[in-house]
Amino acid sequence: QVQLQESGPRLVRPSEMLSLTCNVSGASMNSYFWSWIRQPAGKGLEWIGRIHASMRTNYNPSLQSRLTMSIDTSKNQFSLTLTSVTAADTAVYYCARLSPGTPRYFDYWGQGTLVTVSS
Amino acid sequence: EIVLTQSPGTLSLSPGERATLSCRASETVSNSFLAWYQQKPGQAPRLLIFGTSARATGIPDRFSGSGSGTDFTLSISRLEPEDFAVYYCQQYGTSSYTFGQGTKLEIK
Repeated sequence: QVQLQESGPRLVRPSEMLSLTCNVSGASMNSYFWSWIRQPAGKGLEWIGRIHASMRTNYNPSLQSRLTMSIDTSKNQFSLTLTSVTAADTAVYYCARLSPGTPRYFDYWGQGTLVTVSS
Repeated sequence: EIVLTQSPGTLSLSPGERATLSCRASETVSNSFLAWYQQKPGQAPRLLIFGTSARATGIPDRFSGSGSGTDFTLSISRLEPEDFAVYYCQQYGTSSYTFGQGTKLEIK
């Protein structure tokens, strides 16, 4: 059974860096794309980016200049770093696995972690 | 970027009724690349439908998806109490993903 669990600071100061890690269990990370998605309170879902086990990445153009994703398959985890955060980055952040083969949809999700940007 | 517009924003129905949710794309979406999710308060989204009409593992057959081109539909044939939630459509294209803004299905 594939399980994903987000971890990281829940409070980040404006202009600083947001860093989250997703731990994956129950599945090999190889051959899959892994993704981050966020959801501001009471709003819809926004795709942040994806990373493959080969370290190939694709980012949402609206976040690309501030975003870095990394992966460590030996530790079964992947990470997100978002710089120069503002209150607009306050959201629940989900990690998710993309479907095998053509990565068309998100088949497994973490429970999500609320990150608040505030001084 | 392909924009997905869902309608209605809120749908008020009673258990046992049929629900029809719409997702309209700003450009043509391949049938293979359209999915639907259900989200309940405080929970992560759950995959319901992928490839426009294929049900994910464990999804009851009262859920069905259809459509093509720019117009897609999620139908729930007989609403159960646990079906009242927010539903999102999602598309994949050119190494990026977008979601609709969601339809809230509430008990009338």
